[in-house]
Amino acid sequence: SQKIEQNSEALNIQEGKTATLTCNYTNYSPAYLQWYRQDPGRGPVFLLLIRENEKEKRKERLKVTFDTTLKQSLFHITASQPADSATYLCALNALSGGSYIPTFGRGTSLIVHP
Amino acid sequence: DAGVTQSPTHLIKTRGQQVTLRCSPKSGHDTVSWYQQALGQGPQFIFQYYEEEERQRGNFPDRFSGHQFPNYSSELNVNALLLGDSALYLCASSLAGGGSNQPQHFGDGTRLSIL
Repeated sequence: SQKIEQNSEALNIQEGKTATLTCNYTNYSPAYLQWYRQDPGRGPVFLLLIRENEKEKRKERLKVTFDTTLKQSLFHITASQPADSATYLCALNALSGGSYIPTFGRGTSLIVHP
Repeated sequence: DAGVTQSPTHLIKTRGQQVTLRCSPKSGHDTVSWYQQALGQGPQFIFQYYEEEERQRGNFPDRFSGHQFPNYSSELNVNALLLGDSALYLCASSLAGGGSNQPQHFGDGTRLSIL
């Protein structure tokens, strides 16, 4: 069966360090992958999109990698700040019935300590 | 520029009742998707509307239905509510038919509690 796995345990890091979050998937052939940030009581906010033929994408302090052989995406936040504390969701978009249906992981909570 | 707005923000219903949730997409967006997010889980795709028609549907029963209006706003209807329908219901809008690489803009959701 298809599965998306994100670390269910919270990631605790110190301010200024690099946070690395993992998204693994099985039995998918995603055309692209997205990362979202979600704060408590709020809807997800789009951060980055990476296509299957791209290895890496950057935006300011954020970097995403996409390895279709390993079936894994890594999401990095460099020089992390307490304001980066949130839940981060990965979403795969795979072709289904002629359209790309997004499937979300359960998210990983990131806590950045001052 | 208003983003995605949803109403109401909170709602309490009892089992067997029916509920209607509403969504106004981000200005300029023409596609609306609905998601259900249980506590501690990621959003689960319910369906997507484009040009006033349901274009794609996730693995949800027929009790879940929707509508899109000419102004692109949308409604989600759930009939015969079950305790398991308690969740945060999210609406997301996107541009140009929700093409394959369009990021979605989410509202802050409606928190539905079933007693």
